[in-house]
Amino acid sequence: DAGITQSPRHKVTETGTPVTLRCHQTENHRYMYWYRQDPGHGLRLIHYSYGVKDTDKGEVSDGYSVSRSKTEDFLLTLESATSSQTSVYFCAIRGSYNSPLHFGNGTRLTVT
Amino acid sequence: TQLLEQSPQFLSIQEGENLTVYCNSSSVFSSLQWYRQEPGEGPVLLVTVVTGGEVKKLKRLTFQFGDARKDSSLHITAAQPGDTGLYLCAGGGGSNYKLTFGKGTLLTVNP
Repeated sequence: DAGITQSPRHKVTETGTPVTLRCHQTENHRYMYWYRQDPGHGLRLIHYSYGVKDTDKGEVSDGYSVSRSKTEDFLLTLESATSSQTSVYFCAIRGSYNSPLHFGNGTRLTVT
Repeated sequence: TQLLEQSPQFLSIQEGENLTVYCNSSSVFSSLQWYRQEPGEGPVLLVTVVTGGEVKKLKRLTFQFGDARKDSSLHITAAQPGDTGLYLCAGGGGSNYKLTFGKGTLLTVNP
């Protein structure tokens, strides 16, 4: 299995608080992605990175920011969490633009 | 925005039956991938198809990429309870940095 770890695995937080999710990889892959998965919506891309300090928005980026200061770490931050951000968040990595995605096991975030 | 429509959304069958899941789009994709996801885990790649008309077999699973590279199908022969899971198709577009995912087909195979 690809070396990809998400932390925390579960988190409950209150509306209005900041939250940071971490994705750590040991594969030295260039591309990293954050997706959210919700019933009826499937997997939707939040942000992605194509190199250190190189990031871009996905289809549902509002309310989220990301940072990638090292190849191995990709952080997703909810500046002020809202109930609509309750979801399961998946990090994924890929070595090249035409190789498959390898996913972490997800972070289940509940915003109360 | 490229969209992928998967059908059916839910499928519940008995062990031993055959089934087909579809993934359709109005857009052309340079490649298409199928993933399977089990509860509490991330999706895992089953196959990648890149050539129009391509057929790939993985044991009892047969994957086909449409000639125009706009659609794909997954056929499972003699389904088993271990095939239960969420099947997702994902298409790569021009930039290929981003994959577009369908909403998935939730398959339940009953013993």
